[in-house]
Amino acid sequence: DQQVKQNSPSLSVQEGRISILNCDYTNSMFDYFLWYKKYPAEGPTFLISISSIKDKNEDGRFTVFLNKSAKHLSLHIVPSQPGDSAVYFCAAMSYGGSQGNLIFGKGTKLSVKP
Amino acid sequence: GAGVSQSPSNKVTEKGKDVELRCDPISGHTALYWYRQSLGQGLEFLIYFQGNSAPDKSGLPSDRFSAERTGGSVSTLTIQRTQQEDSAVYLCASSRRTEETQYFGPGTRLLVL
Repeated sequence: DQQVKQNSPSLSVQEGRISILNCDYTNSMFDYFLWYKKYPAEGPTFLISISSIKDKNEDGRFTVFLNKSAKHLSLHIVPSQPGDSAVYFCAAMSYGGSQGNLIFGKGTKLSVKP
Repeated sequence: GAGVSQSPSNKVTEKGKDVELRCDPISGHTALYWYRQSLGQGLEFLIYFQGNSAPDKSGLPSDRFSAERTGGSVSTLTIQRTQQEDSAVYLCASSRRTEETQYFGPGTRLLVL
C-alpha cells in the first residue's frame, strides 16, 4: 500500500500562471516532507522541505503547504516558467527515526507551456 | 565540491548475469542510500548505510540484491542472476547525516534483456 500518493501523473500549466502539485500521505509517523525535481536522465534534485511543526515554507517562487489533519501537502510554483517542466516527487520521512530513507510518491510530470 | 557520482551510467545485460553498480558519495557524507525507479513507478528505497552501523536492508526486493560500503565511502550494489523485472534506474543518494537533505547521483540505467 502506497504511503505517499501523488494522484495526478501529469499537469500542464501556462507560463506565468501558478502550478499546484498535490501529495497525500497515510503514515502519521511522517514528520518531514520534501519535494524533489527530476529532469530526464538526471537524478532528483532537492527543491524544498517542510517540517511537521510548520504549515508553510517558502523559498522564492516555491512554497510548500502542509495540512497535517488532512495528511496533505502541496507545492505551489508561481509564476511558473518553462524551465520548471520536470517530474516532481513528493517524499516523506520520520525525521526523528533511526532510519533516513525517504518514501516517495510516483511523481507528477509538470509541463509549463510558453 | 563534487556531487554524488555513479557508474556505469548505462548497463545492458542478459538475464541470469550478475551486475555491479557503483556509487561515490559526496565526501564527508556519512549516510548513503540506494533507490530504484522502475518504469511508471516512484522511487523505491532499497538499502541504507549510516556510518559503521549495520545497513538497513529492509527495502531489498530479494536475496539476489546485496550492497556493501567499503571504508565508509564508496558503495557497490550487486544484483545476482538478473531478471527482466530488475530493469530500472538505480539511484544513489548521500547526506551528511541521516536527518539531512539527500543529494542524488545521476543514476545507472539497467536493462536486462
